[in-house]
Amino acid sequence: GQSLEQPSEVTAVEGAIVQINCTYQTSGFYGLSWYQQHDGGAPTFLSYNALDGLEETGRFSSFLSRSDSYGYLLLQELQMKDSASYFCAVDTGRRALTFGSGTRLQVQP
Amino acid sequence: DGGITQSPKYLFRKEGQNVTLSCEQNLNHDAMYWYRQDPGQGLRLIYYSQIVNDFQKGDIAEGYSVSREKKESFPLTVTSAQKNPTAFYLCASSIDETLDGYTFGSGTRLTVV
Repeated sequence: GQSLEQPSEVTAVEGAIVQINCTYQTSGFYGLSWYQQHDGGAPTFLSYNALDGLEETGRFSSFLSRSDSYGYLLLQELQMKDSASYFCAVDTGRRALTFGSGTRLQVQP
Repeated sequence: DGGITQSPKYLFRKEGQNVTLSCEQNLNHDAMYWYRQDPGQGLRLIYYSQIVNDFQKGDIAEGYSVSREKKESFPLTVTSAQKNPTAFYLCASSIDETLDGYTFGSGTRLTVV
């Protein structure tokens, strides 16, 4: 079967840096994506990693290690508006994403 | 502006009834998807379609049906065979699910009464 493991909750303060980890066990792997979802809202696409290494997009960065079946999302200079759920997702080759259960990030003042 | 529209936003269904959730996109995307989200949980794939007149079952297709007669439209029917249909349903579309990611609709919250 397919499994993606993420911490269920993370808490951090404004201005800090937080890392959300994702480990996966899947039958196929074509890349790791990250999505953000605010309460009651639709998920929005943040990043995609197909190759090992770090991809940076503004305050957010995403990392992938294919040999370790592991990736993370790094959020810098945290703002209150970053409070949301963050999901990692994998394309196992069927051209549709399999999502993790999500990490709820609470940013405190 | 291009986007993906789901309707209705809230839907109440009596037990034993079929209901159809609408999903329309004007992004000219070939691929469309339906996911189900339960409180505090991730998204689980119900059905997906890469092209008109073709679709595939996802991980939890039992009790659901879809059609893809037009590129713009991918309606989902929740049948009476779905034993626990109360959930948040999300439709998405993409050109490339990897590099560009999915564009999601705002969702339909279905409640069985």
